[in-house]
Amino acid sequence: GQQLNQSPQSMFIQEGEDVSMNCTSSSIFNTWLWYKQDPGEGPVLLIALYKAGELTSNGRLTAQFGITRKDSFLNISASIPSDVGIYFCAGQDSNYQLIWGAGTKLIIKP
Amino acid sequence: GAVVSQHPSRVICKSGTSVKIECRSLDFQATTMFWYRQFPKQSLMLMATSNEGSKATYEQGVEKDKFLINHASLTLSTLTVTSAHPEDSSFYICSAIGTPNQPQHFGDGTRLSIL
Repeated sequence: GQQLNQSPQSMFIQEGEDVSMNCTSSSIFNTWLWYKQDPGEGPVLLIALYKAGELTSNGRLTAQFGITRKDSFLNISASIPSDVGIYFCAGQDSNYQLIWGAGTKLIIKP
Repeated sequence: GAVVSQHPSRVICKSGTSVKIECRSLDFQATTMFWYRQFPKQSLMLMATSNEGSKATYEQGVEKDKFLINHASLTLSTLTVTSAHPEDSSFYICSAIGTPNQPQHFGDGTRLSIL
């Protein structure tokens, strides 16, 4: 099925570094969401974007919805060990169903 | 707010057993609930969408007689895996939305292992 293009697939970073990941789509979405999933748990909503060009922050996390509504990025500043996990982008369609990216696995080097 | 509870978190049972998984919205009324299946190292795969009081809409390739979904109230949906077999072993996750355009909020998932 349809899937968003999410990159990078994985990231190996040092604690304290900033992180950036992005998603692109061939389709327009009215709502763009970023989730984090820890092993053995369900995804947790990090940021929801509703307006083209919208820039939203949640603590150390910042996400922006592209002007064309076909892309978004998520930045994490000053990474800490608990940031480890898999980050998913998702576009919500008119039936409120989610089209998912493949995920970005964040690993922090000890 | 927007807490979704899923139970049980883990089930191990013999082949041929039917297993029921519950999904509850704790602090909001869920007009729509979704059921997903997730394979290792993959994103979530939508199985079905259920609206309160009506029959669930299943995605292509998902057997509705195998995966029975009931959404009898605005706070509870259940997924029953009937006559489960080892190939049904997976991580099942539910989500719910209340008002239109609200983001989906997810339960913590159920790890189903069929021996």
